[in-house]
Amino acid sequence: ETAVFQTPNYHVTQVGNEVSFNCKQTLGHDTMYWYKQDSKKLLKIMFSYNNKQLIVNETVPRRFSPQSSDKAHLNLRIKSVEPEDSAVYLCASSYANSDYTFGSGTRLLVI
Amino acid sequence: GDSVTQTEGQVALSEEDFLTIHCNYSASGYPALFWYVQYPGEGPQFLFRASRDKEKGSSRGFEATYDKGTTSFHLRKASVQESDSAVYYCALGGGSALGRLHFGAGTQLIVIP
Repeated sequence: ETAVFQTPNYHVTQVGNEVSFNCKQTLGHDTMYWYKQDSKKLLKIMFSYNNKQLIVNETVPRRFSPQSSDKAHLNLRIKSVEPEDSAVYLCASSYANSDYTFGSGTRLLVI
Repeated sequence: GDSVTQTEGQVALSEEDFLTIHCNYSASGYPALFWYVQYPGEGPQFLFRASRDKEKGSSRGFEATYDKGTTSFHLRKASVQESDSAVYYCALGGGSALGRLHFGAGTQLIVIP
């Protein structure tokens, strides 16, 4: 099966902890992304990663960092989570600015 | 910067009603326009795209036409079904938004059987 796979599906943690989310795509795409979807369903780009070039949305707090080992993997680490980080984090991939495909998301709850 | 505006936050219809969800965009360059649909507990799913003026995209009975003159890409369906209930997102990519999709705020469609 070719798709975008995210783990975990759901994660609950306490303020100040570090969390890491995994994303893998088996579509052969060349670019991967992380989006944040808030409680109002708004989708905001956080990072895009293409051929080892990282493009960062300047509004993303520095406690967020993407980690990529190859074109098929893009993980997301959050150091010292805050309550406002509670959201759904969506990983996506694309090829040549087309065929954008999303994973099913990781739901983070910070208590 | 680039932006996408969806004027309806929520639309409630009865089955077999006609659907229109408005989408207007502002972008430099010549972006591609997309519609995505998101069901509860899932990520957004690609519906269709259009890349040039007057091009029509369509899928599953939904359609939209790229209109550069009015900077619009309105989503329409002639007869909605309960299974169409979901959140619909208009998005643009390319142009100055190269390397990412820029989404509208989304429209929640509720279809009452």
